[in-house]
Amino acid sequence: GENVEQHPSTLSVQEGDSAVIKCTYSDSASNYFPWYKQELGKRPQLIIDIRSNVGEKKDQRIAVTLNKTAKHFSLHITETQPEDSAVYFCAASKGGNQFYFGTGTSLTVIP
Amino acid sequence: DTEVTQTPKHLVMGMTNKKSLKCEQHMGHRAMYWYKQKAKKPPELMFVYSYEKLSINESVPSRFSPECPNSSLLNLHLHALQPEDSALYLCASSQVGAGDEQYFGPGTRLTVT
Repeated sequence: GENVEQHPSTLSVQEGDSAVIKCTYSDSASNYFPWYKQELGKRPQLIIDIRSNVGEKKDQRIAVTLNKTAKHFSLHITETQPEDSAVYFCAASKGGNQFYFGTGTSLTVIP
Repeated sequence: DTEVTQTPKHLVMGMTNKKSLKCEQHMGHRAMYWYKQKAKKPPELMFVYSYEKLSINESVPSRFSPECPNSSLLNLHLHALQPEDSALYLCASSQVGAGDEQYFGPGTRLTVT
């Protein structure tokens, strides 16, 4: 099956700085890569996703990049704000309605 | 309506009790999921229903019994649970097929005493 690794497990940044979270996957058949943000006590919320036919996608302060050859994808958050503090999970899917999650990154933005 | 709802929000049950968790969506999604999540860990897949048929069972103990009565509803029946089963139980839905966004419900916080 698929194996998704996520780094770092914790990340602290000053408000206004950028944050980068990286994931690697093992199955080259994976073709859909969502990122979820989960605040304490709340549901995971999709913040951005990318498909294997695209190398980069941006949505305001959030971007995701995908390197299919190296089998890794990254989440970039610019101009971080305290409300960006949460746990972030990456995931990979090759269809069949099965999603494989990374282990999570706890992001703290220090005001 | 782009929401998945779950009831109850919180549930405390003894090890001899029988209870059920409920999930509902009206987005026309034909894939529905149950996940178990421990604090600061990723969601752990339990079951997937596709077109109301169980398509994935991740070797979940039989004390958890899923049911999909129709395309909008998903239940999880609980019986003789153990304290280690205490967790957040998340329901999700998506279109059937490759690479489709999953929508998560708010979860049921289950405590087994």
